[in-house]
Amino acid sequence: KNEVEQSPQNLTAQEGEFITINCSYSVGISALHWLQQHPGGGIVSLFMLSSGKKKHGRLIATINIQEKHSSLHITASHPRDSAVYICAVRKTSGSRLTFGEGTQLTVNP
Amino acid sequence: NAGVTQTPKFRILKIGQSMTLQCTQDMNHNYMYWYRQDPGMGLKLIYYSVGAGITDKGEVPNGYNVSRSTTEDFPLRLELAAPSQTSVYFCASVPTGGRRGSELYGYTFGSGTRLTVV
Repeated sequence: KNEVEQSPQNLTAQEGEFITINCSYSVGISALHWLQQHPGGGIVSLFMLSSGKKKHGRLIATINIQEKHSSLHITASHPRDSAVYICAVRKTSGSRLTFGEGTQLTVNP
Repeated sequence: NAGVTQTPKFRILKIGQSMTLQCTQDMNHNYMYWYRQDPGMGLKLIYYSVGAGITDKGEVPNGYNVSRSTTEDFPLRLELAAPSQTSVYFCASVPTGGRRGSELYGYTFGSGTRLTVV
């Protein structure tokens, strides 16, 4: 079993819908990252969380340390949000990131 | 600032050839990482460095070598290319790998190198 599990693997939505992507992890962490990867493009860091909730524009990220779970929400989704969203955790024992397999999001107009 | 710069963006190698993937950052970050990303898989750590002169193996180091002679540069060397090394390679950096007070620092990724070994 992977230490970082994301769901769903693939998600298709209509423009304007509210989207949730989930991440569960099974190890102790010092931080959790949400990353965005566009087709053929590089990887951009969206959020870094150690507790609570962060908001940036239409994106909201939450983390529940006790339940070892994080969610990434996108409000009023738009086709330009189409990308792979990756959850990664930094374990308490070091600096290295452990990655989930990613969630492919497609938002149709 | 340019951030993390990777070259080349694309490369096709024949089996047995060698090449170096270049990675340079201008943010004076201590920690640098090389990852590979295979289709449908999460990123896997190849090698990492916590500072100039210090490198260590990640999850999938076989077939690769690295060096870190300066803070800025962290090249990845493939000595005898194999089809299994066909992948997209990402370099990343972060100011520090440890926790400083209540602050945690974010990672900056390069744009990737798409390598095909035929």
